[in-house]
Amino acid sequence: GEDVEQSLFLSVREGDSSVINCTYTDSSSTYLYWYKQEPGAGLQLLTYIFSNMDMKQDQRLTVLLNKKDKHLSLRIADTQTGDSAIYFCAASTDSWGKLQFGAGTQVVVTP
Amino acid sequence: NAGVTQTPKFRVLKTGQSMTLLCAQDMNHEYMYWYRQDPGMGLRLIHYSVGEGTTAKGEVPDGYNVSRLKKQNFLLGLESAAPSQTSVYFCASSGTVYTEAFFGQGTRLTVV
Repeated sequence: GEDVEQSLFLSVREGDSSVINCTYTDSSSTYLYWYKQEPGAGLQLLTYIFSNMDMKQDQRLTVLLNKKDKHLSLRIADTQTGDSAIYFCAASTDSWGKLQFGAGTQVVVTP
Repeated sequence: NAGVTQTPKFRVLKTGQSMTLLCAQDMNHEYMYWYRQDPGMGLRLIHYSVGEGTTAKGEVPDGYNVSRLKKQNFLLGLESAAPSQTSVYFCASSGTVYTEAFFGQGTRLTVV
């Protein structure tokens, strides 16, 4: 089955760029997602990328996909205190929409 | 503008007790999922449904049962709760398999 791995913690200063990395094992992963979870809340979809794309940009968010290395990254430009949250990488490989999640990266933004 | 609603939000159970978690969505979505979230482990799929009247096992189904009698509702049951089922439970729904999954706010369950 699919394994998705992420680093567990990232500290970044306000105004700097954040880069969160993710690796996955199943090369047939069709869609890859980034979700954000704020304290006490559910998960909110930030962005996603289809496996035939290398990059996707959406305002402050840039997703890079290296399919050869099975590596996904999320870059947040001009990180703000409101970006402090847990970020989950997830992969979808089958036809039923099931998601395989990483353990989540806790991002802490310091002033 | 409800989206996905989970009931209850918090619950404390004694070992051996039973309970049902309710997930309701008002988006007419076909696909619904139950996940559990444990520290350091991300979310793991318990059971899922691809339409009214259907259910299937996910990654960690043992100790849980589900039912999808109505399209908008997906119930997760614990017949005999165990401390290992202490977790935060999330329900999600999606309209198609590759579109955004919408998550509920979660149910924090503690089994003592």
